Amino acid sequence: AQTVTQSQPEMSVQEAETVTLSCTYDTSENNYYLFWYKQPPSRQMILVIRQEAYKQQNATENRFSVNFQKAAKSFSLKISDSQLGDTAMYFCAFMTQGAQKLVFGQGTRLTINP
Amino acid sequence: GAGVSQSPSNKVTEKGKDVELRCDPISGHTALYWYRQSLGQGLEFLIYFQGNSAPDKSGLPSDRFSAERTGGSVSTLTIQRTQQEDSAVYLCASSWTDWGGYTFGSGTRLTVV
Repeated sequence: AQTVTQSQPEMSVQEAETVTLSCTYDTSENNYYLFWYKQPPSRQMILVIRQEAYKQQNATENRFSVNFQKAAKSFSLKISDSQLGDTAMYFCAFMTQGAQKLVFGQGTRLTINP
Repeated sequence: GAGVSQSPSNKVTEKGKDVELRCDPISGHTALYWYRQSLGQGLEFLIYFQGNSAPDKSGLPSDRFSAERTGGSVSTLTIQRTQQEDSAVYLCASSWTDWGGYTFGSGTRLTVV
């Protein structure tokens, strides 16, 4: 079974700083997708960024980028120039290609301080 | 609709009562998913619909939980004889692809007292 581990329950940084959230996963599959979701107090899960395992290039979306290390089964999220609106729970998630369900980590509560 | 709509937003029920949670997905999305998020935890998969059929209901925790989807649209998650451990946020999502590009609703917070 696939598992996703987020080892940082909470993190806190100052506005404008860069922060990196860690995620590791365990799978025997070769084709899969990885995701970072943001959950603000509104509870709605918002897709931040996704990565296809067959792509070597790390995905980027504006201030958000990932460091995908397939051999190490590591998928960290870097937030540059952090903003107050980035305060939220962040979940790392995994999906096997062809499967229809996401496997989530336990989440990291990120607080951006003014 | 423009987004995934869930109702009610919050529900408080007495132990032993039945509850129904509703999800209205984005129009045209054929896939619909239910997840449960217990306090301080990640999301736990419950069930997946493709159209009106449920190819994967492996995450339903007990036979007190059931779900249906009608007209390839609205889905209802029913919990019978609620227990305190059922207290959680129940999130619904829909998509039209298989790469996890879900759109989530804002969930229903269920509290069993």
